[in-house]
Amino acid sequence: AQRVTQPEKLLSVFKGAPVELKCNYSYSGSPELFWYVQYSRQRLQLLLRHISRESIKGFTADLNKGETSFHLKKPFAQEEDSAMYYCALSSDSNYQLIWGAGTKLIIKP
Amino acid sequence: NAGVTQTPKFRILKIGQSMTLQCTQDMNHNYMYWYRQDPGMGLKLIYYSVGAGITDKGEVPNGYNVSRSTTEDFPLRLELAAPSQTSVYFCASSYRDQNSPLHFGNGTRLTVT
Repeated sequence: AQRVTQPEKLLSVFKGAPVELKCNYSYSGSPELFWYVQYSRQRLQLLLRHISRESIKGFTADLNKGETSFHLKKPFAQEEDSAMYYCALSSDSNYQLIWGAGTKLIIKP
Repeated sequence: NAGVTQTPKFRILKIGQSMTLQCTQDMNHNYMYWYRQDPGMGLKLIYYSVGAGITDKGEVPNGYNVSRSTTEDFPLRLELAAPSQTSVYFCASSYRDQNSPLHFGNGTRLTVT
């Protein structure tokens, strides 16, 4: 079964420290993976997608097929990075994204 | 450009009542989706639409109905509300399928008591 697991419900780090938000998936095909973010009082929005191989707001995510992971990383956290982060996997049927439960990231000053 | 607009933001229903959650988008997106999010869980797809006049079931469609008479509007109907439908509901749209960025509404927090 297709599944996305974000093992940490809450992650708290100090400003300037590195951040790694974990995402593990189970999928038998070639996955399309995404990170969505919801800042306080804002809408859920796309942060980045693995196929674009981009860096957005200093965040990067590398697809590791061997470990079936798509962890989100940033070398130096900023206070404005505090938000809910969701990892999502594109299903090859029914136009569906499979979502993780989310990780709340808190950046302490 | 308002994007995706959902109404209402909050609603309390009694068991057995019905209601419609409204969703409209002004981006001319063909694809629209309804998700629900239960506490501590990921989003689950209720229904989706790939264009006006076309709708299909997602992962958790029971107890809901949708229609898509125009490109802009994708209302979600709850008939005979049950406590299990207490959740936060999100409407979203995208230019192509789910691999293109989803644009979300602000969500509707529904409580059924």
